[in-house]
Amino acid sequence: DVQMTQSPSNLAASPGESVSINCKASKSISKYLAWYQQKPGKANKLLIYSGSTLQSGTPSRFSGSGSGTDFTLTIRNLEPEDFGLYYCQQHNEYPYTFGAGTKLELK
Amino acid sequence: EVKLLESGGGLVQPGGSMRLSCAASGFTFTDFYMNWIRQPAGKAPEWLGFIRNKANGYTTEYNPSVKGRFTISRDNTQNMLYLQMNTLRAEDTATYYCARELPGYPYVMDAWGQGASVTVSS
Repeated sequence: DVQMTQSPSNLAASPGESVSINCKASKSISKYLAWYQQKPGKANKLLIYSGSTLQSGTPSRFSGSGSGTDFTLTIRNLEPEDFGLYYCQQHNEYPYTFGAGTKLELK
Repeated sequence: EVKLLESGGGLVQPGGSMRLSCAASGFTFTDFYMNWIRQPAGKAPEWLGFIRNKANGYTTEYNPSVKGRFTISRDNTQNMLYLQMNTLRAEDTATYYCARELPGYPYVMDAWGQGASVTVSS
């Protein structure tokens, strides 16, 4: 199975700041990486897929980059609703696998 | 509005069985692949398997970690998705999510339920 390693595990930031979350695959997954947001009491939200394609409804302050084994989710000009958990997931090969998550907290 | 609502979770003894349900609404259910994913508290999500759409014969694929113990099925007349779990172990304790697959993008889930909690303990 492809192992997905996210970093950092925890991240503290203030509204208006920019942050980056990294995801590293144990082997090349081409461009096939998705990012999800998880918040308590809410359904998980797909933000980005295929590395950099924004899902419909994802604000433009979110962006994804990378290919091969190294990927980054960047959130510019943080809004209060952006705080939560973020997961990466490779969608290149079966069985598809997730990272352990990054908790984005309010500083 | 797309909605997915899981039910059927709870406490089960080791070795026991449990069936989870997922009620789907707001979309043409038969057009979509449907997935089950679980997440132990504080850990990474784990994809369990999917069932294909009508065009692909409603066939299934499973993560090897649960193949043979878990079975995914669907009732397309009721827009329901099911996960039958047998021979449950303590390590199956998790929140279980159903999720819809983004059309044309295998393994990308564009809609999730809020989850059903399963605890395997004596």
